Amino acid sequence: SQQGEEDPQALSIQEGENATMNCSYKTSINNLQWYRQNSGRGLVHLILIRSNEREKHSGRLRVTLDTSKKSSSLLITASRAADTASYFCATDSPGMAGGTSYGKLTFGQGTILTVHP
Amino acid sequence: EAQVTQNPRYLITVTGKKLTVTCSQNMNHEYMSWYRQDPGLGLRQIYYSMNVEVTDKGDVPEGYKVSRKEKRNFPLILESPSPNQTSLYFCASSFRLGTSVPRNEQFFGPGTRLTVL
Repeated sequence: SQQGEEDPQALSIQEGENATMNCSYKTSINNLQWYRQNSGRGLVHLILIRSNEREKHSGRLRVTLDTSKKSSSLLITASRAADTASYFCATDSPGMAGGTSYGKLTFGQGTILTVHP
Repeated sequence: EAQVTQNPRYLITVTGKKLTVTCSQNMNHEYMSWYRQDPGLGLRQIYYSMNVEVTDKGDVPEGYKVSRKEKRNFPLILESPSPNQTSLYFCASSFRLGTSVPRNEQFFGPGTRLTVL
């Protein structure tokens, strides 16, 4: 099964509302990242949160991480129509040698966010 | 401009006709990776490379080959394409995580949409 599982699979909101997406994972991680993908385009990195961090902010984005529950959430505040995209969480898990990350990311299936003007 | 480029962007081919999708990055990244994206399955890693002449299988390597002869290039080879390899392919690169590199967010190419008839 997938390391990162996003919830919900699809989210539809009005402009100005907040959007919250959740991600659960199964194994220990070095960090967890969120990416955005506009339809059919490449993914763009949004924010990274390390395993020893609990919350991080970047502009209108707020990410939380609960390693005891193996879950993360991405909050987009005051959403805009331009935020319409798919959002993926990706986990970076310890590699073979002493917990060093080798940069291998495991992506979830994504949440499709639609923001209506 | 720092970027990951892929060519071609679109390709329609027939079963069994060998093809290569090129990937090049100009950021001096050690780590490069290929993913395929299919509806309902998210992104799945095909192969990755941690440095020149160092490659390893990802989650779905069957039917694909890669090589890493130079740091900037990481071509994906389909020796005998089949219809089940019809997909959207992404190349990505990042620095290898280390004490001097605290972040390993991946930079994605624009994608190659492959159709195998």
